[in-house]
Amino acid sequence: SNELTQPPSVSVSPGQTASITCSGDRLASSYVSWYQRRPGQSHMLIIYHDSRRPSGIPERFSGSKSGNSASLTISETQTMDEADYYCQAWDRSTIVVFGGGTKLTV
Amino acid sequence: QVQLQESGPGLVKPSETLSLTCSVSGGSISSFYWSWIRQPPGKPLEWIAYIYHDGSTNSNPSLKSRVTMAVDTSKNQFSLQLTSVTAADTALYYCARGEVGAKSWYFDVWGRGTLVSVSS
Repeated sequence: SNELTQPPSVSVSPGQTASITCSGDRLASSYVSWYQRRPGQSHMLIIYHDSRRPSGIPERFSGSKSGNSASLTISETQTMDEADYYCQAWDRSTIVVFGGGTKLTV
Repeated sequence: QVQLQESGPGLVKPSETLSLTCSVSGGSISSFYWSWIRQPPGKPLEWIAYIYHDGSTNSNPSLKSRVTMAVDTSKNQFSLQLTSVTAADTALYYCARGEVGAKSWYFDVWGRGTLVSVSS
């Protein structure tokens, strides 16, 4: 069973702000990471340590966390942002746990 | 720029052993934690196991009894063996590079994935 819960799908109009949530007990004691997977491409790390962006990731991608819930926010959403997004956290027993993924439609 | 490439048979018979190799290019396999992750059709990503360059390993408790990983630093490769496979092991298998810290684990480089089907 999914130990991190994400909405299966989110829709947003171009230029608007998209928000994807991730919730689970593990989040309170772990940093959260977010990944983007465009069709036919590898997964890309877009957020780590709850809110940090790797080099090369646009500033319009941002992350936040409060207690057992985390959010990925994409401002000024572009059609190229249409992809699957996954949250991920550390877990003491299973080491790594993923969310079920959210399909973002722009 | 580090790149990862998975390779191995795309079809494995039930009860046999699934074997995959991940080739690391553009960087050394030394340091970092190297993982296998899979995604069965219609299901979420599942972390399988990791290996460190010194050969130390750990795996998902749900798969631990069936998983073996190895690293070949001379070839800049690491591998996965999953024994006694069933149809439930049919999935896209990814290799990935992990960064590890206190209460933190994330994957900063991923392969494109390879589809493995278990069928007679």
